[in-house]
Amino acid sequence: DTAVSQTPKYLVTQMGNDKSIKCEQNLGHDTMYWYKQDSKKFLKIMFSYNNKELIINETVPNRFSPKSPDKAHLNLHINSLELGDSAVYFCASSQARGGFNYGYTFGSGTRLTVV
Amino acid sequence: GDSVTQMEGPVTLSEEAFLTINCTYTATGYPSLFWYVQYPGEGLQLLLKATKADDKGSNKGFEATYRKETTSFHLEKGSVQVSDSAVYFCALRNNNDMRFGAGTRLTVKP
Repeated sequence: DTAVSQTPKYLVTQMGNDKSIKCEQNLGHDTMYWYKQDSKKFLKIMFSYNNKELIINETVPNRFSPKSPDKAHLNLHINSLELGDSAVYFCASSQARGGFNYGYTFGSGTRLTVV
Repeated sequence: GDSVTQMEGPVTLSEEAFLTINCTYTATGYPSLFWYVQYPGEGLQLLLKATKADDKGSNKGFEATYRKETTSFHLEKGSVQVSDSAVYFCALRNNNDMRFGAGTRLTVKP
């Protein structure tokens, strides 16, 4: 059973399109995250949700909008895609209740290519 | 703000060589420290962690000790294998946010 699953694994799309990436976790964690990894492997936090409530919203273009229908799901919708959005996007989950000693569990990533 | 600095790669070693990847951090309070590994085409996997000063995390022959006096959490392995080739990330967690280093690519040659 996959703990954090993302779909799709690969996404190739044209500039200007709108696309969504879905993420689901079956670990019972209360917090979910979206990270962007660039070609040099640098990881940047984009969003964090705790029990469906947005708690981290880094400086990300407002073309990116997260949606959390319940605490097991955190989807990422991207409007008007640009070439610079090409990257690997990772979803992760963790337990925050009870302290911050817990690591994150990552999905396998979605490679987005904008052409 | 909190941050993590790890040695730049790439690091290339021969099989059975000793590995050290340096990691230092800047943080207020008492963060938890982590090492993650990312194999090609995969997500990050938690390798080991330490949650307080002088704790040693270990897993799969890798180990790292939380040194508060030097604000460091260096990753070591006594004898690397080809299968250890991956990108390694040092990270700290001080609140609800995990801060990652830039990653160090390790290549182990037979």
